Amino acid sequence: GAVVSQHPSWVICKSGTSVKIECRSLDFQATTMFWYRQFPKQSLMLMATSNEGSKATYEQGVEKDKFLINHASLTLSTLTVTSAHPEDSSFYICSARDRAGKRGAGYEQYFGPGTRLTVT
Amino acid sequence: QKEVEQNSGPLSVPEGAIASLNCTYSDRVSQSFFWYRQYSGKSPELIMSIYSNGDKEDGRFTAQLNKASQYVSLLIRDSQPSDSATYLCAVYNFNKFYFGSGTKLNVKP
Repeated sequence: GAVVSQHPSWVICKSGTSVKIECRSLDFQATTMFWYRQFPKQSLMLMATSNEGSKATYEQGVEKDKFLINHASLTLSTLTVTSAHPEDSSFYICSARDRAGKRGAGYEQYFGPGTRLTVT
Repeated sequence: QKEVEQNSGPLSVPEGAIASLNCTYSDRVSQSFFWYRQYSGKSPELIMSIYSNGDKEDGRFTAQLNKASQYVSLLIRDSQPSDSATYLCAVYNFNKFYFGSGTKLNVKP
């Protein structure tokens, strides 16, 4: 249980193009999903919090026009990196909170397997 | 001051020993605490959650929480080489998770 999938698992794109990453909760509903970025040998950096049916909340320093987040349903959130540049190359990880809290007190978040983005 | 602080390590323990990982947090009103394990190149995996003062045990893992000291720890008994990973402490406040920088654990065969 508590499975979160991400697609694609890795992507290589050319500078200036856009890339969409999907995050799905497979066996639970998630009112809240989180998007993180992780550079090599560094910890997770929260980019934005995505709530179903409303606009995402971005962390300070994260460009909302560059990293478009859409949380269309209780099981799907997407992150689109627009006009990607080599400095956007990173490991992008989504996570989802179990809305019903059946696996705990309702605050646990479960991570997807991540998407490794390389911009050439 | 960081919200969540961890010793970056590496922490090296022999196989079969107890590994002790520590974490402190700054916000006194924090109520929810988590330990994640992250293997190199992979995403974090939830190991334990703890919400009340005291100990919580799950198999070889024990989480300990002391809210008065703003301190949470993770004990791994009978450490195995497969436990070698980076362990992330996380605190949940106001719909946001704050992560420590992680402690790298090496379990030597």
